Amino acid sequence: SQKIEQNSEALNIQEGKTATLTCNYTNYSPAYLQWYRQDPGRGPVFLLLIRENEKEKRKERLKVTFDTTLKQSLFHITASQPADSATYLCALNTGGFKTIFGAGTRLFVKA
Amino acid sequence: NAGVTQTPKFQVLKTGQSMTLQCAQDMNHNSMYWYRQDPGMGLRLIYYSASEGTTDKGEVPNGYNVSRLNKREFSLRLESAAPSQTSVYFCASSEALQGKGEQYFGPGTRLTVT
Repeated sequence: SQKIEQNSEALNIQEGKTATLTCNYTNYSPAYLQWYRQDPGRGPVFLLLIRENEKEKRKERLKVTFDTTLKQSLFHITASQPADSATYLCALNTGGFKTIFGAGTRLFVKA
Repeated sequence: NAGVTQTPKFQVLKTGQSMTLQCAQDMNHNSMYWYRQDPGMGLRLIYYSASEGTTDKGEVPNGYNVSRLNKREFSLRLESAAPSQTSVYFCASSEALQGKGEQYFGPGTRLTVT
């Protein structure tokens, strides 16, 4: 069956360090992959999109990699800050209008 | 520019009652979506509308109906609410062609069915 896996355990890191979140998928051939941020009680907010023919994408302190051979995406936040604490969602689109979301990984950044 | 708005923010229903969740976007997007989010699970697509006048089922459509009233508005109706429909409901819209792009989400409606 098709599955997206994100680490269900929360990630705790110290301010200033790099946070790395993982998204693994099986039985998909995604055309592109997205990452969203969700704060408690709010809707998800789009962060980055990476296409299947791109290895890496950057935006300010954020970096996403996409390895279609390993079926994995890594999401990095460099120089992390307490304001980066949130849940981060991975989402895949295999073409068409249906996007599949992972359950998310909670990130806590300690000052 | 409010983005995507949803009403109500909170709702409590008794089993068997009906209600309509409202969603509107002011970004002139063609595509609109309804998702539900349950603890420990990813967002699951209920219905979507690729463009004004069209609607299609998503992953979990049973127990729901939708109406794309115009380009701005997309409503979700629960005809006979069940406890299994207790969830947080999000509406989203997208300007991307063929659904291939980022989605903009509303603040959510927290629904409890007792």
